Amino acid sequence: GGIITQTPKFLIGQEGQKLTLKCQQNFNHDTMYWYRQDSGKGLRLIYYSITENDLQKGDLSEGYDASREKKSSFSLTVTSAQKNEMAVFLCASSMGTGGGAEQFFGPGTRLTVL
Amino acid sequence: GEQVEQLPSILRVQEGSSASINCSYEDSASNYFPWYKQEPGENPKLIIDIRSNMERKQIQELIVLLDKKAKRFSLHITDTQPGDSAMYFCAARDYGNEKITFGAGTKLTIKP
Repeated sequence: GGIITQTPKFLIGQEGQKLTLKCQQNFNHDTMYWYRQDSGKGLRLIYYSITENDLQKGDLSEGYDASREKKSSFSLTVTSAQKNEMAVFLCASSMGTGGGAEQFFGPGTRLTVL
Repeated sequence: GEQVEQLPSILRVQEGSSASINCSYEDSASNYFPWYKQEPGENPKLIIDIRSNMERKQIQELIVLLDKKAKRFSLHITDTQPGDSAMYFCAARDYGNEKITFGAGTKLTIKP
């Protein structure tokens, strides 16, 4: 088995602030994902990466940057936090075989912008 | 890109009866359709999936159906129990890349 760790668990920021969320996985998975989940809503893909140093835009990439520093880690940056923004950011990983590998999700980072 | 529509957004059923959630997708190249269950405060967890070479798959009380021609797939939970109350998400995966598109979710409540 493996685990996905997301830090921090809770993140409080100020309007306009640049905020970075981190994700680590020890599954040795190739593909990693960042999703945003608003309260009671679905998951919207922000960025994903199919291998180290690769970056692919999702449907919600505007306002975010991401970096796959190494195979096991994938970070997400909110470039300018929006006032009253509240959401949970979920990191996920999968084997990345292209044939339907299961995604495993981390526990999430809950963002609040004051 | 792929779009996945999921209905209903809210579903309440009596304990012991069946619950059905329906999803449709647009990209005919999508070939993998997972279903995730998310309990309050928890992360989503895969409960069942189906690939495009199948029309039906069952794991215990969970049944998924896939109609590739109509680009629709569905989850059916038979003999529902209180522990089935949760958010459920369908998803579709683009063939040839790793992108997965999720539906907006269904909040299922099982009434005692």
